[in-house]
Amino acid sequence: GAGVSQTPSNKVTEKGKYVELRCDPISGHTALYWYRQSLGQGPEFLIYFQGTGAADDSGLPNDRFFAVRPEGSVSTLKIQRTERGDSAVYLCASSLTVNTGELFFGEGSRLTVL
Amino acid sequence: AQKITQTQPGMFVQEKEAVTLDCTYDTSDPSYGLFWYKQPSSGEMIFLIYQGSYDQQNATEGRYSLNFQKARKSANLVISASQLGDSAMYFCAMRDALNFGNEKLTFGTGTRLTIIP
Repeated sequence: GAGVSQTPSNKVTEKGKYVELRCDPISGHTALYWYRQSLGQGPEFLIYFQGTGAADDSGLPNDRFFAVRPEGSVSTLKIQRTERGDSAVYLCASSLTVNTGELFFGEGSRLTVL
Repeated sequence: AQKITQTQPGMFVQEKEAVTLDCTYDTSDPSYGLFWYKQPSSGEMIFLIYQGSYDQQNATEGRYSLNFQKARKSANLVISASQLGDSAMYFCAMRDALNFGNEKLTFGTGTRLTIIP
């Protein structure tokens, strides 16, 4: 497809488990973002990649959260030792150039930690 | 620190009427950007419109316009001739100058708009 693809769309896991969420951005988009949206809230910034490197990871809540983008395209958000408070929709977005404000978002991965 | 406030949790509007969604912001930075995004039930965020703090004119994109009042620190979204497909969550967001080159946006809590046939 032409848009940002996120998998899985839904993930239910137990507290303490490890989770990976994948994002496939629009082809050619060099910038990639992860946001987290809790129920009833707006998205909150987690991390930003420009190419393969994390240019800004100041939004990651703690060291249980980690993200990679090894080849400058697909990105994986990794959450270790999940907690119930990690339950949210994780949104990925990409853009062709920075400074435009126009991010293209995927439909998100809904994570539920029991 | 930046803050975006959207005071209308929900709005109901008759089809074909115009609607204004409120947004106020707080920042100490003289240079910033303001955005509106639409989130339908599918979940993806759709970019609608952008206004730079130094732009002299209010931004417009088709049926969307941004009523930018800098002194009041408000950036209301106006949708003209509303359609049933406009029913969605609407988020106001801001990026400050420190983040130019990084679309690190601060979002408000959103307004759920429902268009009534």
